[in-house]
Amino acid sequence: KAGVTQTPRYLIKTRGQQVTLSCSPISGHRSVSWYQQTPGQGLQFLFEYFSETQRNKGNFPGRFSGRQFSNSRSEMNVSTLELGDSALYLCASSRVGTNEQFFGPGTRLTVL
Amino acid sequence: AQSVSQHNHHVILSEAASLELGCNYSYGGTVNLFWYVQYPGQHLQLLLKYFSGDPLVKGIKGFEAEFIKSKFSFNLRKPSVQWSDTAEYFCAVSQTGANNLFFGTGTRLTVIP
Repeated sequence: KAGVTQTPRYLIKTRGQQVTLSCSPISGHRSVSWYQQTPGQGLQFLFEYFSETQRNKGNFPGRFSGRQFSNSRSEMNVSTLELGDSALYLCASSRVGTNEQFFGPGTRLTVL
Repeated sequence: AQSVSQHNHHVILSEAASLELGCNYSYGGTVNLFWYVQYPGQHLQLLLKYFSGDPLVKGIKGFEAEFIKSKFSFNLRKPSVQWSDTAEYFCAVSQTGANNLFFGTGTRLTVIP
């Protein structure tokens, strides 16, 4: 079974731009969670989507948003990028009834 | 608010040494506990998890962890480390049934051959 896939793997943007990251969960997994990993703050939860609805949200500004499609694929969007948004963005999926999450390789975002 | 503390930032061991990495969490309700590992250049992988039942849980690659509820701890152990265990280890906690994991800051383990 294929694992969680994330595209693109690397992105370079400039301040003020917006970016969209994509995540395809493991087949059959309906929950998708997003995390931000930085050297200073570590791994922080952004939000979780289940059945196309945001079910949980972390403590991030409204510039960070996401959505989930009917096939469980998810996207996250960051608008008006800031230098501090440079990070590895990780996506994780899990099956219904368990909160054991499987992580993707991440998208490395660099904001210049 | 939930929080997770990993007190060891960097641990250096020789092969065959025993390993114990500390993890303490702060949360008043029922929790699920996890240890994840990130090998160099690879993505996060689940080592082991505790949901309920026997507080001593065994994971992959010879790792185990013990949940001590009274101490809010979930320490990771391995009796004899190998060079291939060199990686970063993350402890994480979530409210039972929830998918928002709170991670510790990680412990970098270097095993010297």
